[in-house]
Amino acid sequence: EAGVVQSPRYKIIEKKQPVAFWCNPISGHNTLYWYLQNLGQGPELLIRYENEEAVDDSQLPKDRFSAERLKGVDSTLKIQPAELGDSAVYLCASSLDRGADTQYFGPGTRLTVL
Amino acid sequence: AQSVTQLGSHVSVSEGALVLLRCNYSSSVPPYLFWYVQYPNQGLQLLLKYTSAATLVKGINGFEAEFKKSETSFHLTKPSAHMSDAAEYFCAVSEGAGGSYIPTFGRGTSLIVHP
Repeated sequence: EAGVVQSPRYKIIEKKQPVAFWCNPISGHNTLYWYLQNLGQGPELLIRYENEEAVDDSQLPKDRFSAERLKGVDSTLKIQPAELGDSAVYLCASSLDRGADTQYFGPGTRLTVL
Repeated sequence: AQSVTQLGSHVSVSEGALVLLRCNYSSSVPPYLFWYVQYPNQGLQLLLKYTSAATLVKGINGFEAEFKKSETSFHLTKPSAHMSDAAEYFCAVSEGAGGSYIPTFGRGTSLIVHP
């Protein structure tokens, strides 16, 4: 069974440029998470989807960040425009359902904003 | 609201020694508790989880953790460390029924294993 796939693995951009990250969750997983992980820190939830619906997005900076999960499968996270402070690893995870279900993480996208 | 505190950003042990990584939590409803491991340039992998069944939980790679409600703790242990255990370990809490289901992670503990 394929795991959670993320692309690109690495991205370097200049500030004020747009950037997008893509995530393909494990087949059949209803819940999808996007996390931000700063160096030396634990993951922080940005947004959680249950199927196509965004159910927890209070930590998503909506002035510059947006996300979508079309047809309840793949998801895209976008930043426009990027700022220096956005440099971090962006992790995607999926689980069968919410709560106690195991989250399976992708390898992450490391973003560097110059 | 829920939170997780991992005591010690770094833990150093000798190969073959006991591993003890500490985690304390707070939750307004019965929690789900998790330990994840992260190797460099990789995503997180679940070691074990507590979901209100047995308080002593056994996970992969010889790790186990005990849920102690009175101490609000969920410490991770392994009897004998291997060099391959060197990694970053994260404790996480998620509120179950009646709660938010939003997972909250600790800051992580880096396990260093000396030969």
